[in-house]
Order: sequence, then structure tokens, then C-alpha cells
Amino acid sequence: KQEVTQIPAALSVPEGENLVLNCSFTDSAIYNLQWFRQDPGKGLTSLLLIQSSQREQTSGRLNASLDKSSGRSTLYIAASQPGDSATYLCAVIGGTSGSRLTFGEGTQLTVNP
Amino acid sequence: DVKVTQSSRYLVKRTGEKVFLECVQDMDHENMFWYRQDPGLGLRLIYFSYDVKMKEKGDIPEGYSVSREKKERFSLILESASTNQTSMYLCASSWSGTGTNYGYTFGSGTRLTVV
Repeated sequence: KQEVTQIPAALSVPEGENLVLNCSFTDSAIYNLQWFRQDPGKGLTSLLLIQSSQREQTSGRLNASLDKSSGRSTLYIAASQPGDSATYLCAVIGGTSGSRLTFGEGTQLTVNP
Repeated sequence: DVKVTQSSRYLVKRTGEKVFLECVQDMDHENMFWYRQDPGLGLRLIYFSYDVKMKEKGDIPEGYSVSREKKERFSLILESASTNQTSMYLCASSWSGTGTNYGYTFGSGTRLTVV
């Protein structure tokens, strides 16, 4: 069964800092990996989607990398802002879970002004 | 902009009531999913559907059923609501088949409270 782990579970940083969120998965035979953001009491907003053939994707201040062979992904946030405060979820599709999405537990990020 | 729309943001229902949660997508996606999210338990898959009138059980289907009569609409049904079904419910959709490279789109969620 595919398992996804996110480290750290929580992170508090001062505004302006660059930061890295980590995601690991047990079955490397994935189709793609998706990073989401969730604000309190809200739904999930897709941030970046990395296809299995890709190594990274970028959107604005966000950069996500994927290393399938080692079962790892990182989400890099540059020049963090208080508005980045949210929970960030990593999810994979494929491997033993087929086309179902398997989520990590999330990293709760707080960016302090 | 593509959308997954959940009909209610907040619902309060009484124990024993039959509850319908509605989800509509405008992207012509074949796949649709219902998750619930609880503190400390993360997101758990309840049911999903690969096509009209098709349904598959997820990890926690007990106490729930689903209906997909049209491609764009996927309904989650709580046959007899109980307090342990108080949760955030999230609907999602995606393109079909294994090997999909298009990712999932989620709705804004329905916060259900059963009293």
C-alpha cells in the first residue's frame, strides 16, 4: 500500500525566509505528484503538478522537485510571506494505489510578519 | 476557470436524518471522488466513480452511499446520519484511467455537523 510522509508536521518562520517542505512516498511507480494548499476550513487548492517524466515544476515563488527513484519530492517556497500561511499537502497518484490519490498528513506552515 | 462545486459550505443535520451532499464539475472529467477530512486522520477516501452509474468503495464506505446518474454530478448520501459523521467533506474530480497526468481538482468543501 502506498504511504506518503511529510516532514516537518509544522513549521514557523519569519517573513522573507526561503523554506523547503519534504514529502516521501514508499512506492516509486507513481504517475504523478501533486502539491496542494489548504487554508483553515477551506477546500484544497492545487499548487503544482509534476508528471512522472518530469523532475520539477515552477509557479511564481514555488518550485517543486520530484525524484521518483528515491521516492521524494520537495516544495521550495522563496521569500515567504504571511499570506503563505496554510497547510501544504503532498499527494501521489499511482503505484499500488492505482489512479487513487494518496495524501500525506500535511505540513502546517506559519509565516510570521 | 475549471470548477468543482459543492452545493453547501455548511450543513447542520439531526441524528437519523438522510443527508445528501452534492458535487458538480464542469470539466467533463470521468473520475469523481468523495473524501472526508478529520483532525489527526487526514483525508480518507469514502467512494469514487470512474463513469456514470459506476461506483467503487474507498477506504471508509460504511454508513455512506453514492449516486452518479450524470457525468457531471456525484452525490454522497448519508442514509442515517450519526454524530461520528460530523466532518469536512471534500469532492474531487480528474481525467480518467491509470497513468493520468492531469491531477485532481477539489471543491471548496462542506462542513457537516450532525447533532
